[in-house]
Amino acid sequence: DTAVSQTPKYLVTQMGNDKSIKCEQNLGHDTMYWYKQDSKKFLKIMFSYNNKELIINETVPNRFSPKSPDKAHLNLHINSLELGDSAVYFCASTLNNEQFFGPGTRLTVL
Amino acid sequence: AQSVAQPEDQVNVAEGNPLTVKCTYSVSGNPYLFWYVQYPNRGLQFLLKYITGDNLVKGSYGFEAEFNKSQTSFHLKKPSALVSDSALYFCAVRDMDNTGKLIFGQGTTLQVKP
Repeated sequence: DTAVSQTPKYLVTQMGNDKSIKCEQNLGHDTMYWYKQDSKKFLKIMFSYNNKELIINETVPNRFSPKSPDKAHLNLHINSLELGDSAVYFCASTLNNEQFFGPGTRLTVL
Repeated sequence: AQSVAQPEDQVNVAEGNPLTVKCTYSVSGNPYLFWYVQYPNRGLQFLLKYITGDNLVKGSYGFEAEFNKSQTSFHLKKPSALVSDSALYFCAVRDMDNTGKLIFGQGTTLQVKP
């Protein structure tokens, strides 16, 4: 059973489009995160939710809107996609100081 | 602000030799430190963590790391490298703001040659 899953794995889209990435964890964790890995492989936190409440928003453009319908899901919606949004997006959840990461979604904006 | 640094972009070792991937940290207070590995086109896998206790922490796949408070370091080590250890390694520190978020180093590519 996959602990943290993301869909889709790959997403190729045109500039200006709106897209969503979904994340689900079956670990019963309360806290979930979105990280962005850029082309230089640098990883940076974007958002965190604890039990459906936003607790971190790290100066991400408001074109990015996370939504947590329940504590097992944290989806990421991106409006008006730009070339610079091309990256790998990782979802994670945490318990007892250990973060479990999803497999990533590679977003390519053309 | 909390930070970690991985001074080497790439480390090359021969199979069977010991390996070290370096990490230094800067935190206020006691650090929670982590190592993760990322294989090509895969997510991050947890290797080990230091929260408190013994300075030598043992983790997955035969890796270990030594917490050195005086040198503010948390280097990753393995006595005998395997070709399959070739991957991207990230050191991370948990931020002190109680959100649990991780602050990552820039990553070090480990290349193990047969």
